[in-house]
Amino acid sequence: DAKTTQPTSMDCAEGRAANLPCNHSTISGNEYVYWYRQIHSQGPQYIIHGLKNNETNEMASLIITEDRKSSTLILPHATLRDTAVYYCIVRGTGTASKLTFGTGTRLQVTL
Amino acid sequence: DAGVIQSPRHEVTEMGQEVTLRCKPISGHNSLFWYRQTMMRGLELLIYFNNNVPIDDSGMPEDRFSAKMPNASFSTLKIQPSEPRDSAVYFCASSLGKGLLGNTIYFGEGSWLTVV
Repeated sequence: DAKTTQPTSMDCAEGRAANLPCNHSTISGNEYVYWYRQIHSQGPQYIIHGLKNNETNEMASLIITEDRKSSTLILPHATLRDTAVYYCIVRGTGTASKLTFGTGTRLQVTL
Repeated sequence: DAGVIQSPRHEVTEMGQEVTLRCKPISGHNSLFWYRQTMMRGLELLIYFNNNVPIDDSGMPEDRFSAKMPNASFSTLKIQPSEPRDSAVYFCASSLGKGLLGNTIYFGEGSWLTVV
């Protein structure tokens, strides 16, 4: 699975959009981009995933560049409850392919 | 729907004792994963199963660790004998494999293990 690079930490004011970047320059054609987050002392929570098209769900939007070498997770209106560590993961499509976590981005949402 | 269920949620044990962590995956899921999380090493994949068969156990730290999946609805992770450095949060996760489609992995709330 391809490696990812994320900033160590970011701050965001409550009510503003949080844009979390991720670089995955070695991604291959059949690998998906997944985003998870982990709120303190809880299990990782699935947010969204995509292959090459932009995706949106009730939690967030995922923007993937045309060359697929980077992506951005957007939380449109961040709240204090969105404070967490956000992991960008690239994962293959095999039936039992692994999910390998990096160090993630620690997002702090402030008043 | 019930998510991934882990037990115990918290365990404190003495060094040298056997520890058994349990996991019930989401009904219908055919892949199961055991992860360990520590401050020093972050989230590490220990082992994963597909259709009850271990596929990759390269993350299992040493022979003191063993994992089984006797059926599609139950898995155990055993540490014998336990050591203080095994103190960590152990997460179980499951997913429904669908071949070429991306398949989401869902995590349990974890088992917090402290070995004293």
